[in-house]
Amino acid sequence: DAKTTQPTSMDCAEGRAANLPCNHSTISGNEYVYWYRQIHSQGPQYIIHGLKNNETNEMASLIITEDRKSSTLILPHATLRDTAVYYCIVRVAWSNYKLTFGKGTLLTVNP
Amino acid sequence: GAVVSQHPSWVICKSGTSVKIECRSLDFQATTMFWYRQFPKQSLMLMATSNEGSKATYEQGVEKDKFLINHASLTLSTLTVTSAHPEDSSFYICSALLAGNNEQFFGPGTRLTVL
Repeated sequence: DAKTTQPTSMDCAEGRAANLPCNHSTISGNEYVYWYRQIHSQGPQYIIHGLKNNETNEMASLIITEDRKSSTLILPHATLRDTAVYYCIVRVAWSNYKLTFGKGTLLTVNP
Repeated sequence: GAVVSQHPSWVICKSGTSVKIECRSLDFQATTMFWYRQFPKQSLMLMATSNEGSKATYEQGVEKDKFLINHASLTLSTLTVTSAHPEDSSFYICSALLAGNNEQFFGPGTRLTVL
């Protein structure tokens, strides 16, 4: 699976949009971009995934650049409960299903 | 959504003893489950892939005789840490693969402390 690069940490004000970037410049054509988050001392939680089109669900939006070398996870109205480590992972769907977690981005939402 | 549970949520044991951790998919069947380990301030590291009815596949550097994995049913996988030592103290997390959409759903984790 291709590697990803994320900032170590970010801060966001409560109620504002949180935009978390991820670089995946070596992504292959059949690799998807997945986002998970891990709140302290809990298991990871799936957020969203996409291939090349922008995606939106009840939790977040995923914007993937046209060249697919980077993406941005958007939490439209961050709350204190969104404070967590956010992991951007690229992997081939329908493969061995392994997820390789990097260091992720610690998002701190401030009141 | 798909729910995965782990038991116990935390355990403290003496060095040299064995500890069993259970991972259950509560509302779906999972032919494949994964076991991860997470040390403080570090990311999750995949330990092994557990397939129902067959032997687990271990990642490089993970001792299969120390970390015994059993996946005897479609809803239960167990990880047994044998002869635990303080360096095995960690946060152990399982996930279950939901067939159809092929997504992994994670359990809440088990905190193991070996004294």
